[in-house]
Amino acid sequence: DAKTTQPPSMDCAEGRAANLPCNHSTISGNEYVYWYRQIHSQGPQYIIHGLKNNETNEMASLIITEDRKSSTLILPHATLRDTAVYYCIVRVGTSGSRLTFGEGTQLTVNP
Amino acid sequence: KAGVTQTPRYLIKTRGQQVTLSCSPISGHRSVSWYQQTPGQGLQFLFEYFSETQRNKGNFPGRFSGRQFSNSRSEMNVSTLELGDSALYLCASSLFGTDFYGYTFGSGTRLTVV
Repeated sequence: DAKTTQPPSMDCAEGRAANLPCNHSTISGNEYVYWYRQIHSQGPQYIIHGLKNNETNEMASLIITEDRKSSTLILPHATLRDTAVYYCIVRVGTSGSRLTFGEGTQLTVNP
Repeated sequence: KAGVTQTPRYLIKTRGQQVTLSCSPISGHRSVSWYQQTPGQGLQFLFEYFSETQRNKGNFPGRFSGRQFSNSRSEMNVSTLELGDSALYLCASSLFGTDFYGYTFGSGTRLTVV
């Protein structure tokens, strides 16, 4: 799996957009970018994934650069409940059923 | 729909004992994966079961084992507990195991070894 690099922590004001970056410069052509988050003392929760096009769902938007070497998860209107550790994972399904979680980004949404 | 249920939520065991943790997946899901989370090592993959067969295994000693029943419920067992086994144990269920967008994690079992 391609290695990912994320900032260890970020802060965001409630109601503002939270933009969480992820670097995956060694990503290969068939690897997807997945984002999960883990709220304290709970299991991780799937947020969104993409291959090369930008994606949006009810939780977030995912912007992947044209060269696919980096991506940004956008929470358009962050709330206090979005405070969590956010994990960016690069994975291809054909290489098995294992997710490799890095250290992630601790996002703190402040009132 | 009902989520992934892990029991018990909390457990305290003594060094040298063994422990069994249970995971009931979402109805219809055939894959159950187990992860260990510690402050020092983060989230680490233990193993995955699909249709009662272990299909993938992480880099853990043989003291960690698991199984899956015909109704897809899974158990993991840790024998001869060590202090370092204290962790949050999480299971995730999905339809195929490789549909990572479809993973649903339980809330975990927090194991403390004293």
